[in-house]
Amino acid sequence: QSALTQPPSASGSPGQSVTISCTGTSSDVGNYRYVSWYQQHPGKAPKLMIYEVSKRPSGVPDRFTGSKSGNTASLTVSGLQAEDEADYYCSSYAGSNSWVFGGGTKLTVL
Amino acid sequence: EVQLVESGGGLVQPGGSLRLSCTASEFTFSSYDMHWVRQATGKGLEWVSGIGTAGDTYYPGSVKGRFTISRENAKNSLYLQMNSLRAGDTAVYYCARGEYCTNGVCSSPFDYWGQGTLVIVSS
Repeated sequence: QSALTQPPSASGSPGQSVTISCTGTSSDVGNYRYVSWYQQHPGKAPKLMIYEVSKRPSGVPDRFTGSKSGNTASLTVSGLQAEDEADYYCSSYAGSNSWVFGGGTKLTVL
Repeated sequence: EVQLVESGGGLVQPGGSLRLSCTASEFTFSSYDMHWVRQATGKGLEWVSGIGTAGDTYYPGSVKGRFTISRENAKNSLYLQMNSLRAGDTAVYYCARGEYCTNGVCSSPFDYWGQGTLVIVSS
């Protein structure tokens, strides 16, 4: 299966909102609710931020919201803070016990 | 706190083999699916393999036939045997916790990750 498509970069000023897209196909994002988002700071392991399209694990600020429409999922970060600067990855179940990740988006807080 | 600790990475020649290990703690390891995910330097994440609680295994086409995932529940350990290694397999390999399902409700996969172990395939 092919990687999910994410924009390579996104940016916003502190306090603003930014949305990152994740485009797949009807065989993955469009067909399952198992879309997740991860935050990765340099040299660190990925951290789960959103699962099942829009659910937040305990401890993740409600500034992070997820949604999906058709074959495209989105992560919105509201009230941007300096610590939100990181790489963000999406993932989706792709059927037959397989998973696919996105190429990643580098979020810069200006 | 859930912990996943990988080991076994290193430098290996093309065509060689390497076995990665992941030791889990602070959760009932045998009740969870487990996965390996890799990340080449400066690149995105790539799912490499998964194993269910019954030992059923899954791979993407890029590693099928070369990589073997296994688990030893008595030791809370996950393994990845990598054979016929290529330069393109060079990456940090992460162990990640998968789903736990009970009564038709499943937890989120990939909710905890190890710190990763670096594999370099080069002559």
